[in-house]
Amino acid sequence: DIQMTQSPSSLSASVGDRVTIACRASQSIYRYLNWYQQKPGKAPKLLIYVASSLQSGVPSRFSGSGSGTDFTLTISSLQPEDFATYYCQQSYIIPQTFGQGTRLEIK
Amino acid sequence: QVQLQESGPGLVKPSETLSLICSVSGGSISSSSYYWGWIRQPPGKGLEWIGSIYYSGSTSYNPSLKSRVTISVDTSKNQFSLKLNSVTAADTAVYYCARNYGDYLGPGDYWGQGTLVTVSS
Repeated sequence: DIQMTQSPSSLSASVGDRVTIACRASQSIYRYLNWYQQKPGKAPKLLIYVASSLQSGVPSRFSGSGSGTDFTLTISSLQPEDFATYYCQQSYIIPQTFGQGTRLEIK
Repeated sequence: QVQLQESGPGLVKPSETLSLICSVSGGSISSSSYYWGWIRQPPGKGLEWIGSIYYSGSTSYNPSLKSRVTISVDTSKNQFSLKLNSVTAADTAVYYCARNYGDYLGPGDYWGQGTLVTVSS
């Protein structure tokens, strides 16, 4: 299986901050990388697919980049509703696998 | 607006079979553009893909669970289902169903709310 490693595992930030979350794959996954946001007690919500495509309805402050093994999710200006856990997911090869999550907390 | 809803027992005894149904509304499960999957999340932990199905009945499973998993589809009811046999406490999790765009590995653009299944005697 492809291992997905996110960093950091947790992050404290303030409203208005620019935040970057990293995701590294154990082998090249080209651009087959998706990002999800999950709030407590809720299902994950798709933010970004194929590394940099913004899912319909997702605010433009979210952006994704990367290819091969290294990817990033950037939130340009944190809003109160953005405090959540973020997961990356590789969709290159079965089984699709997820990172361990990055918990974004209010400073 | 597509909606997915999981249903099934919240408590299953060890060694028995976990059975869940995902009901799809607001769209046809027979659409050629989508696949339908199950993902689980143990309490306080990360996400694990279980498997996916196409409306034709073609399936793909996580090798780690393949020997115990069956996913099936009922297009007449616009539903798909999950069966996981010989469960243990390690199978305790929130189980989500989701729509995958494009293929078995497609991004999950719509998800159910999730249902907690506890394995305990």
